[in-house]
Amino acid sequence: EAQVTQNPRYLITVTGKKLTVTCSQNMNHEYMSWYRQDPGLGLRQIYYSMNVEVTDKGDVPEGYKVSRKEKRNFPLILESPSPNQTSLYFCASSLGGTKREQFFGPGTRLTVL
Amino acid sequence: GQQLNQSPQSMFIQEGEDVSMNCTSSSIFNTWLWYKQEPGEGPVLLIALYKAGELTSNGRLTAQFGITRKDSFLNISASIPSDVGIYFCAATFLDNYGQNFVFGPGTRLSVLP
Repeated sequence: EAQVTQNPRYLITVTGKKLTVTCSQNMNHEYMSWYRQDPGLGLRQIYYSMNVEVTDKGDVPEGYKVSRKEKRNFPLILESPSPNQTSLYFCASSLGGTKREQFFGPGTRLTVL
Repeated sequence: GQQLNQSPQSMFIQEGEDVSMNCTSSSIFNTWLWYKQEPGEGPVLLIALYKAGELTSNGRLTAQFGITRKDSFLNISASIPSDVGIYFCAATFLDNYGQNFVFGPGTRLSVLP
């Protein structure tokens, strides 16, 4: 089944403890992206990747890192999480180029205490 | 940065009624996308629009890419209870510098039986 998977789905952590949220897609998509969703603000793009080893900042990149060493994986790294990073996170992927229809993962709910 | 405005913020309608919502911006885009999100799920793509003036249907859903490239609307005909959810518009302007997506804050639709 074609899909985007994220792990973990739920995470509660404490300020300053490094964490990684994994994202994987099995559709051979070139483009991958991370979003955070907060009430009243909709989805805001954190980082995106047009292809392996090519990443770029979205609208809200501060406090986050990403890497794209393989086509299928695009992990989101929070080196030192803070409470204002408590949010619902979505990973998405698309074929890229002129095909911009993004497919979303199920989401990761992160709470930073 | 670029912003999308969606209206209405929320709407309550009777089953069987038609629904209209729109998305506007002061910026020009070359792709408009409409997504639906249900509780606990990631957004699901409904319609993608690539050309100014384009009108596209997907079952009871119809969306149009505004001629000015600054807006889009989504119509749902003969609403049913499973149409309940949050509808997001998204837009992107693909250029040589990347593919940055921006989402609207959403329209929350409730359908009363």
